[in-house]
Amino acid sequence: GNSVTQMEGPVTLSEEAFLTINCTYTATGYPSLFWYVQYPGEGLQLLLKATKADDKGSNKGFEATYRKETTSFHLEKGSVQVSDSAVYFCARSYNQGGKLIFGQGTELSVKP
Amino acid sequence: DTAVSQTPKYLVTQMGNDKSIKCEQNLGHDTMYWYKQDSKKFLKIMFSYNNKELIINETVPNRFSPKSPDKAHLNLHINSLELGDSAVYFCASSPGAKQETQYFGPGTRLLVL
Repeated sequence: GNSVTQMEGPVTLSEEAFLTINCTYTATGYPSLFWYVQYPGEGLQLLLKATKADDKGSNKGFEATYRKETTSFHLEKGSVQVSDSAVYFCARSYNQGGKLIFGQGTELSVKP
Repeated sequence: DTAVSQTPKYLVTQMGNDKSIKCEQNLGHDTMYWYKQDSKKFLKIMFSYNNKELIINETVPNRFSPKSPDKAHLNLHINSLELGDSAVYFCASSPGAKQETQYFGPGTRLLVL
């Protein structure tokens, strides 16, 4: 099938802690992979993306590496801030019409 | 300067009513989408249009009818609203329809009473 699975939230961390949000996907072919972030009351914003195996996407201190062998795209950040509190969505592309298939979202709460 | 805009931002209405949500993008993109986000934050695509032509229709009830008067606009009309239609509806656009980054609007929060 074609699906995306993320670790369940909510995730609560203290400021400056290390963050990992796991994401795995199933796919036929070679999809592009994305992390989107949704801040409270807002729409989704692209955080980072990778379009082929072994690519690393990075933005605002967040990183994720496209691992074809483990079909994973885990999101990491070395030191989170309170302002990183949001819901994070992993997504993969799908050849039909460019639609995105999203994971269920992981809520992150960072405490001072 | 807003790239993808939606109106209205909030919509509260009674069951059985008909309502429309409008979306506009000023990015010059060819492809536009409607997504539905339920109360558990799960996001699912509903429709996609490429250059005003429908290319994705994801088994959405036919009470939902998208319309694209031009490639910068994609509106969503909903007939006979039901309680289960309560959700946040997001419009998005992308340069084309091939694995490209999508840009999302701020969402329309629909509450059916």
